[in-house]
Amino acid sequence: QVQVVESGGGVVQPGRSLRLSCVASGFTFSSYGMHWVRQAPGKGLEWVAVILSDGSRKYYADSVKGRFTISRDNSRNTLYLQMNSLKVEDTALYYCAKESKILVAGREFDYWGQGTLVTVSS
Amino acid sequence: QSALTQFASVSGSPGQSITISCTGTSSDVGNYNFVSWYQQHPGKAPKLMIYEVSKRPSGVSNRFSGSKSGKTASLTIYGLQAEDEADYYCCSHAGSSTLVVFGGGTKLTVL
Repeated sequence: QVQVVESGGGVVQPGRSLRLSCVASGFTFSSYGMHWVRQAPGKGLEWVAVILSDGSRKYYADSVKGRFTISRDNSRNTLYLQMNSLKVEDTALYYCAKESKILVAGREFDYWGQGTLVTVSS
Repeated sequence: QSALTQFASVSGSPGQSITISCTGTSSDVGNYNFVSWYQQHPGKAPKLMIYEVSKRPSGVSNRFSGSKSGKTASLTIYGLQAEDEADYYCCSHAGSSTLVVFGGGTKLTVL
């Protein structure tokens, strides 16, 4: 069955960096766009970034542009989110989510992980 | 890119129907038929309930229905059940600058 499992969250000071990972299984990872979506404590969902299936294009929310970098390793079925210059407002549960259709991006997400918590605090 | 607009809360009694609205702009909801809806129970990951405005994934109850008119999308839940109590988020494709935008979420309470 399809699974996506996030890891890498933790407590970090403002201005520092952190890298999240998401390992996928149960589907042909290299055929699907993959997203990061975050949810601050007690708040709503916020889309963060997407990478196309072959890694050729990446898109970001304005709130993270220039600080976060999404990448993938299709040989390892793994999605990454490199987060630099972290701010207190980046504190959230970060979900990895799979695009529902092959070779497209920004449509809908049919599988989500359970999330990994990032806390930015001094 | 601003979030799509949803009312913060809605409530209904078991067996009733409710509608949750989601208002965007001509750059997102008004321009694309890639509107989706997600249900999120406390402490759980979101679940896809509706995609492409009105399509239901396999396994989702036909009590859930989606529609769109202009810049406003809607999710209607018929025959409310206790397990429908959750947060609901709309989502839309938003073009090549910021690809995706979510609504702020609506908390559904089943009385």
